[in-house]
Amino acid sequence: QKEVEQNSGPLSVPEGAIASLNCTYSDRVSQSFFWYRQYSGKSPELIMSIYSNGDKEDGRFTAQLNKASQYVSLLIRDSQPSDSATYLCAVKGNYGQNFVFGPGTRLSVLP
Amino acid sequence: GAVVSQHPSRVICKSGTSVKIECRSLDFQATTMFWYRQFPKKSLMLMATSNEGSKATYEQGVEKDKFLINHASLTLSTLTVTSAHPEDSSFYICSAIEFGSYNEQFFGPGTRLTVL
Repeated sequence: QKEVEQNSGPLSVPEGAIASLNCTYSDRVSQSFFWYRQYSGKSPELIMSIYSNGDKEDGRFTAQLNKASQYVSLLIRDSQPSDSATYLCAVKGNYGQNFVFGPGTRLSVLP
Repeated sequence: GAVVSQHPSRVICKSGTSVKIECRSLDFQATTMFWYRQFPKKSLMLMATSNEGSKATYEQGVEKDKFLINHASLTLSTLTVTSAHPEDSSFYICSAIEFGSYNEQFFGPGTRLTVL
């Protein structure tokens, strides 16, 4: 059973702080990793994808991947109240088309 | 980015009726489309994987005769909830992967189904 775990929320950070979201996965052959943001009542939107070990930065977002530790994280710098949402980690193996989603971490950025 | 649309966005129906939800990839061809359902404050639950021109693959516990999926073209997949009951009320979301890409999955805006 392939599993994706995320740190339980809700996570609250003050505006301007760094929010750190964590995700671990069980399938060692996983190759593709994604972070989605989902606002309440809306569908998920892709914010980051990462395929290689190390850091990948896009604006205020940084994804970090460590395949040896089976760990992927998302850092949000200068957090804004508009970042308040549920963040979903998704993992995909090298073969097949199915993604496995984590349960999500709800982030609240307090003004 | 790739755009996926769903129609309708919201539907209310009486118990026993059937409801069809359409999922379209607007600016790309989708090899594969996925159908999810999501209950309030819960995570996504994959219902089925749909490939163009072939039968959908359903997840364990999902009734294929109740949730009919048709993927007739590279830009359109439909989900029909047959003989809907109140327990089928949920948020149904489709997603698509672009033909030639096996990675990024793009979601439609979702359809909120309420069965009275």
